[in-house]
Amino acid sequence: AQKVTQAQTEISVVEKEDVTLDCVYETRDTTYYLFWYKQPPSGELVFLIRRNSFDEQNEISGRYSWNFQKSTSSFNFTITASQVVDSAVYFCALSELGNAGGTSYGKLTFGQGTILTVHP
Amino acid sequence: DGGITQSPKYLFRKEGQNVTLSCEQNLNHDAMYWYRQDPGQGLRLIYYSQIVNDFQKGDIAEGYSVSREKKESFPLTVTSAQKNPTAFYLCASSWDRGRSPLHFGNGTRLTVT
Repeated sequence: AQKVTQAQTEISVVEKEDVTLDCVYETRDTTYYLFWYKQPPSGELVFLIRRNSFDEQNEISGRYSWNFQKSTSSFNFTITASQVVDSAVYFCALSELGNAGGTSYGKLTFGQGTILTVHP
Repeated sequence: DGGITQSPKYLFRKEGQNVTLSCEQNLNHDAMYWYRQDPGQGLRLIYYSQIVNDFQKGDIAEGYSVSREKKESFPLTVTSAQKNPTAFYLCASSWDRGRSPLHFGNGTRLTVT
């Protein structure tokens, strides 16, 4: 069964610090997608990034970067020079596509989320 | 602007009453979803629909019902059979199930007393 673990329940940093949010996943499929979402206080989840299992290239987008390592089943998210506006709950999610047509095909499993608070 | 609209934002009901949460999207997405979020837990899938007039149970469908009569609408009814209905409910949509990122609405916070 697929599983996503975000071991850090809450993280608190001071503005301009770098912070890394961990995500470890479990799957037996070789074809899958990983996602990160941000949930600000308004409640709406916002999509940040998607990675497929065949693309291990790290990605940088402004102050955000993602490190995908299949060898350790991790997809960690780093915010450089954090800002107060980064305060939110961040979710990592996994979608398996290995058994097309099966009941779990395409099912998105979310981690429990990490609450990030950035203090001024 | 395209997006997903959930209404109302806050909903209060007495125990034993059914209540329907609205979800409308104008993104022309085929797939739609309902998730439930409780404090300290991730999102749990209640129901999903990949096409009009078809929907499937998610992990926690008991006590809930849905319909998908139109592509843009996917209302969720919380019935009196749902033992612990107080929660934050999120509706989402996507182009397909599995590969495409989900677009979420702002959510409905339901309180049942």
